[in-house]
Amino acid sequence: DVKVTQSSRYLVKRTGEKVFLECVQDMDHENMFWYRQDPGLGLRLIYFSYDVKMKEKGDIPEGYSVSREKKERFSLILESASTNQTSMYLCASSSRGGDGTQHFGDGTRLSIL
Amino acid sequence: QQPVQSPQAVILREGEDAVINCSSSKALYSVHWYRQKHGEAPVFLMILLKGGEQKGHEKISASFNEKKQQSSLYLTASQLSYSGTYFCGTEINRNRDDKIIFGKGTRLHILP
Repeated sequence: DVKVTQSSRYLVKRTGEKVFLECVQDMDHENMFWYRQDPGLGLRLIYFSYDVKMKEKGDIPEGYSVSREKKERFSLILESASTNQTSMYLCASSSRGGDGTQHFGDGTRLSIL
Repeated sequence: QQPVQSPQAVILREGEDAVINCSSSKALYSVHWYRQKHGEAPVFLMILLKGGEQKGHEKISASFNEKKQQSSLYLTASQLSYSGTYFCGTEINRNRDDKIIFGKGTRLHILP
């Protein structure tokens, strides 16, 4: 079974802090994704990566950056957290050669005070 | 371009049928369907590819009309376990740097 693990289920940070959200997958997937989920807005793509050190902007990249130094790990960085970044963050991975199925982690509920 | 899902929410009694629609303004390569139960991660249900047939397993099936650029998810004789939020995700291509774009979701609530 594919396992996508996000480092924290719940996280509380203060405005202006630098925040790191970590995601690790154990299935050697090439593709990894970061989404944010807000009520009524669905899943919105922040960034994705199709290979180590490669990254592509999604639909809402402003205020975020990412890092993919190893194939199994994809980090989302909030450079200077703001209250409007309070949200549920979901990481997912998929195999390049597969049917595109994305496997999701359990999510990190981030609160910025 | 985010696909449009309808309806936004559905309330049914156990045993009733439901249809959830997903429409795109662009020609599609594939449509994915996921279900997310409250407090859990989204889980893959099925994928429909361009040129493919209607798919399904047990009492959940889906169709993909390429000409109309839309897909429908059918839940037959719904069970309490079907409750959750259903997302469709659309792909325009399957290139390396392409991505799935998800709709806003349809909340399905099944009453006993």
